[in-house]
Amino acid sequence: ILNVEQSPQSLHVQEGDSTNFTCSFPSSNFYALHWYRWETAKSPEALFVMTLNGDEKKKGRISATLNTKEGYSYLYIKGSQPEDSATYLCAFVPWMDSSYKLIFGSGTRLLVRP
Amino acid sequence: SQTIHQWPATLVQPVGSPLSLECTVEGTSNPNLYWYRQAAGRGLQLLFYSVGIGQISSEVPQNLSASRPQDRQFILSSKKLLLSDSGFYLCAWSSTLRGERGTDTQYFGPGTRLTVL
Repeated sequence: ILNVEQSPQSLHVQEGDSTNFTCSFPSSNFYALHWYRWETAKSPEALFVMTLNGDEKKKGRISATLNTKEGYSYLYIKGSQPEDSATYLCAFVPWMDSSYKLIFGSGTRLLVRP
Repeated sequence: SQTIHQWPATLVQPVGSPLSLECTVEGTSNPNLYWYRQAAGRGLQLLFYSVGIGQISSEVPQNLSASRPQDRQFILSSKKLLLSDSGFYLCAWSSTLRGERGTDTQYFGPGTRLTVL
């Protein structure tokens, strides 16, 4: 069974704080890692797709890094804003014949207080 | 632009009753289609995926089934619901560009909240 773990489960920060959370996944059979943001009452929205060890992606104040050898990815938010409040999901894609399957972690729920 | 619809948005059903959830995608052709479920306190679990009409792959044993009668229509069904079927059901689609398997972004619908009593 392929397990994807995210930590912490939830996080409360003050507006302006920078924060980061972790996604851990199996280091063998790695194909890709996705990050999604899921705001309340909305659909999950894609943030990044990462494939290469050492990869770093950035979108505004949000960035992510990837270490496929040790099986983790970090998501960073610089200067958190209340609109960043959401659940952040990572999804691991194992190398398979038909790599359509995303295996999701249970998410990190971020609440940014004004 | 592409859009994805799901209905109903919420559903309360008694144990043992049948289920039909529908998902349709507009603005694209031959998409990969997916059904996910989020049970309380857990992550998104892939239930079914489809790469074409009539082609369904099941990921977990369960009393649910899926069908794809048309290119952009994906239906999740059950003949008899169980309490454990309660959860939030999300449909998603991705493009079928060859060579990009596993890196295609999946686009999610608004979801259906199912409560089985």
